[in-house]
Amino acid sequence: GAGVSQSPRYKVAKRGQDVALRCDPISGHVSLFWYQQALGQGPEFLTYFQNEAQLDKSGLPSDRFFAERPEGSVSTLKIQRTQQEDSAVYLCASSLEIQGTEAFFGQGTRLTVV
Amino acid sequence: AQSVTQLDSHVSVSEGTPVLLRCNYSSSYSPSLFWYVQHPNKGLQLLLKYTSAATLVKGINGFEAEFKKSETSFHLTKPSAHMSDAAEYFCVVKKANFGNEKLTFGTGTRLTIIP
Repeated sequence: GAGVSQSPRYKVAKRGQDVALRCDPISGHVSLFWYQQALGQGPEFLTYFQNEAQLDKSGLPSDRFFAERPEGSVSTLKIQRTQQEDSAVYLCASSLEIQGTEAFFGQGTRLTVV
Repeated sequence: AQSVTQLDSHVSVSEGTPVLLRCNYSSSYSPSLFWYVQHPNKGLQLLLKYTSAATLVKGINGFEAEFKKSETSFHLTKPSAHMSDAAEYFCVVKKANFGNEKLTFGTGTRLTIIP
């Protein structure tokens, strides 16, 4: 596709359940980012990949959050033992170059933990 | 460290009147600055960006912003609002010329257009 694709668009999880969120970046984009956007807030950085290398995971809120990009393209954000405070929209973005100035965002996955 | 402050959480203007969305930044480094727009149920879209070239930056849909280093501001303006401009707007800062492309977002300004 032409843009960043995320799936599922909506996910409802029971507290304690594990979830996996998928991001398909724009083909050829080196950099991939995950952001978390709580209701009424701006997106907050979670983690950053350059190809398959996870270079920055300083924004991951706890060790329940794990992200991977094993082949340098598709990425998965996994949340274990979900809690209500994990409810948010999870945004994926990709950019063409390491020094690129524009990131393209997907529509996000809205996670609701009940 | 870097951060942005959006001075208004909500702005309402009448259709056809000027729009002003205010943003101040703080950065230890020479920054890159952006404005993104988020329409309901749509992804974030880049409106415009400043990357140390011209201080007056023109973007899509008639928006523009001026980088003022002395005031540490990057306010977004449009001469005449259109109904389709109703959305959430985010001011964003990034360290320029660093490999880590992490973006730091403001808390957003919701723009309402009055018919």
